[in-house]
Amino acid sequence: GAVVSQHPSRVICKSGTSVKIECRSLDFQATTMFWYRQFPKQSLMLMATSNEGSKATYEQGVEKDKFLINHASLTLSTLTVTSAHPEDSSFYICSASVRLAGSSYNEQFFGPGTRLTVL
Amino acid sequence: GENVEQHPSTLSVQEGDSAVIKCTYSDSASNYFPWYKQELGKRPQLIIDIRSNVGEKKDQRIAVTLNKTAKHFSLHITETQPEDSAVYFCAASIRWSGGSNYKLTFGKGTLLTVNP
Repeated sequence: GAVVSQHPSRVICKSGTSVKIECRSLDFQATTMFWYRQFPKQSLMLMATSNEGSKATYEQGVEKDKFLINHASLTLSTLTVTSAHPEDSSFYICSASVRLAGSSYNEQFFGPGTRLTVL
Repeated sequence: GENVEQHPSTLSVQEGDSAVIKCTYSDSASNYFPWYKQELGKRPQLIIDIRSNVGEKKDQRIAVTLNKTAKHFSLHITETQPEDSAVYFCAASIRWSGGSNYKLTFGKGTLLTVNP
């Protein structure tokens, strides 16, 4: 259990276009999902917290109008990179929060990531 | 906000040796400290975690220790194997029972190489 998927795994787009990345919890419902960005050989940087049915909470320095997050259901959150530029090229990873059976706390499980390349 | 420092950035050991990675955190309210292993191009995988009500936790060849007073925690891998080679990230967060909305602050990562 606790499987998180992302689609697409890789995307190459032209500068100025928008790209949508989907994050799905396959076998559980996630009221909270997180979006991270990871540059090569660097750490995961939290971009925003996505809450089902409400607006996302963005971290300081992350442009909410550029990185649109929608959490329309308990199993799906989407990240849309609008008007993408080469500097947006990165590895985008989502995670979903769930409490496993027998646990007192929620755990975060990560998706496989999406490699975005903007030409 | 929370700040997590991780050292070393790279670590090379011989197969069978032990590896130790250390992290410090700044927010004394943090109470949850997971460690993740990430292989190249793949998702981070939780390998072990510790909560602030315990000082040490062990799972086979992996152990984590926590010193709340000094605000640092460490990952210990014994009898290392080539398949342990990966990037390891520590993280810290404030967690509470019943809550799902907690944020992880990650360290910068340690590239561990285990030489056969």
